[in-house]
Amino acid sequence: DVKVTQSSRYLVKRTGEKVFLECVQDMDHENMFWYRQDPGLGLRLIYFSYDVKMKEKGDIPEGYSVSREKKERFSLILESASTNQTSMYLCASSAYGNTIYFGEGSWLTVV
Amino acid sequence: AQSVSQHNHHVILSEAASLELGCNYSYGGTVNLFWYVQYPGQHLQLLLKYFSGDPLVKGIKGFEAEFIKSKFSFNLRKPSVQWSDTAEYFCAVKTSNTGKLIFGQGTTLQVKP
Repeated sequence: DVKVTQSSRYLVKRTGEKVFLECVQDMDHENMFWYRQDPGLGLRLIYFSYDVKMKEKGDIPEGYSVSREKKERFSLILESASTNQTSMYLCASSAYGNTIYFGEGSWLTVV
Repeated sequence: AQSVSQHNHHVILSEAASLELGCNYSYGGTVNLFWYVQYPGQHLQLLLKYFSGDPLVKGIKGFEAEFIKSKFSFNLRKPSVQWSDTAEYFCAVKTSNTGKLIFGQGTTLQVKP
């Protein structure tokens, strides 16, 4: 079974803090994704990566950055967290052209 | 820009009723189509997918979906819902020119026992 693991399920951070969300997949997938999920808005793509050190902006990249130094790991970084970044963050991975698999999600609250 | 639209935001049905959730997308080229489900407190799971071939696709738990290319639609159906189908359902589209998976807003299904 494909396993996408997000290191933190629940986080509470203060406004202005730097936040790291880590994601690891164990299937040697080329593609990795970060989404945020908000009620009534569905899932919105923040960034995705199709190879090591490669990244592309999704639909809502503002306020976020990403890092992919190793194929299995894709990190989402909030340089200075704000309250409007309180959300559920979902990491996903896929082999090229195939089904995308999701992690369990990270609930981030910014106070 | 590509987009995915789910017409129903909140659906309430009684057990044994039939279900149809609408999904339309905007993209003129080749697409891969997906329905995902998220049960309360759980992560997203793939219900079914369409890549090519027979436009009527059968998925897990008795769900099916039909791809109608001329209508840019990929509606999800189930003949008889159960209380355990209570969940949020997401339609998603991956276009041939990018690797991105674009999601609809989601439909919350509540099945009354």
